[in-house]
Amino acid sequence: SQTIHQWPATLVQPVGSPLSLECTVEGTSNPNLYWYRQAAGRGLQLLFYSVGIGQISSEVPQNLSASRPQDRQFILSSKKLLLSDSGFYLCAWRPQGFGTEAFFGQGTRLTVV
Amino acid sequence: AQSVTQLDSQVPVFEEAPVELRCNYSSSVSVYLFWYVQYPNQGLQLLLKYLSGSTLVKGINGFEAEFNKSQTSFHLRKPSVHISDTAEYFCAVSMDSGTYKYIFGTGTRLKVLA
Repeated sequence: SQTIHQWPATLVQPVGSPLSLECTVEGTSNPNLYWYRQAAGRGLQLLFYSVGIGQISSEVPQNLSASRPQDRQFILSSKKLLLSDSGFYLCAWRPQGFGTEAFFGQGTRLTVV
Repeated sequence: AQSVTQLDSQVPVFEEAPVELRCNYSSSVSVYLFWYVQYPNQGLQLLLKYLSGSTLVKGINGFEAEFNKSQTSFHLRKPSVHISDTAEYFCAVSMDSGTYKYIFGTGTRLKVLA
């Protein structure tokens, strides 16, 4: 069966420090991968999605970037964190094809101080 | 571009009462529709989805939703809620062609009262 791993679960980082959140999927190949940010009252904001290795689509201009160095690995990064980057970050994967459901990781609670 | 609107940010309801959580979408092409539930500090899990066919879709935990193309709505309902249904509920839409974007609404926090 397929599983998705996302880590760390919680993270406290100072303003100006770098960020790297990692997400890996097991048990499937060529998944579509997604990064979302959830902030209070703003629902799930799509940040990036990827349909293949090295293919990244950015939805919202921001202080973050994403990379997909391997088929089942998706990384969210920042060179210098801002206070506004605080939030709950969720990674998700979907099988190829339209109309497929998404499967989510357990999320990372990021607090920038 | 497609978008999803959840009209109610919070819905309080007494235990064993019925509930409806509203979702409207906007898209220039056909879409697929989904409802997810999120318990505190966890990821999301799928309640139900509409791909095609019957407009009334039944999901897990006694939830159901009805797709209304003319009103561009996909409202979620449960005839009798339990305390354990207290959670946040998200409506989502994906296109049926052209892009693999997967868009969520802002969520509705359902609070079931004893």
